[in-house]
Amino acid sequence: DVVMTQTPVSLSVSLGGQVSISCRSSQSLVHNNGNTYLSWYLQKPGQSPQLLIYKVSNRFSGISDRFSGSGSGTDFTLKISRVEPDDLGVYYCGQGTQYPPTFGGGTKLELK
Amino acid sequence: QIQLVQSGPELKKPGESVKISCKASGYTFTDYAMHWVKQVPGKGLKWMGWINTYTGKPTYADDFKGRFVFSLEASASTANLQISNLKNEDTANVFCARGGMGPTWFAYWGQGTLVTVSS
Repeated sequence: DVVMTQTPVSLSVSLGGQVSISCRSSQSLVHNNGNTYLSWYLQKPGQSPQLLIYKVSNRFSGISDRFSGSGSGTDFTLKISRVEPDDLGVYYCGQGTQYPPTFGGGTKLELK
Repeated sequence: QIQLVQSGPELKKPGESVKISCKASGYTFTDYAMHWVKQVPGKGLKWMGWINTYTGKPTYADDFKGRFVFSLEASASTANLQISNLKNEDTANVFCARGGMGPTWFAYWGQGTLVTVSS
């Protein structure tokens, strides 16, 4: 299975600040069809995960442009700018390129 | 709007069975796969498998073969997960999630069903 490693495990941020979360995969996530199926999710306390970014850098419907994804191959980054209270929770990266789909261990974003 | 609505929390004893439902609305049910994801309280996400909503064929992750059964009530746009011979380690929140039938991401999630196994 592809191992997804997220860093850091937790992050403290001031409102209005900017943060970056790293996600590294144990194998390349480039599919034979040329697409890279790396996605990012936010799970707020007591809620189910919600999709933020798919295929590395595509924002899902309704997701603020304060969220941006980048990377290639095995190294990916989620950046959140102008952090708001509603951004707090646990962020997960996930890969759907290789079977079975796998997720990173999560990064908890908290207020400083 | 697209929604996945799951059945309510379950409290079971070891050895019992449980059936969780996931009713989809707002899209053509058979156009997308339904995936199942497990989350032990306070822990991360683990993919359990998926069902092809067009053919009904289930695929199980290695750790979820044997006691887990995915099924459909396609006429009701509903996917089901049945777990038999429940064990304490099955205690978890289980989510259904809409995804693709090939390489994928999970665009829509159910609200989760908490299954608690305790004697």
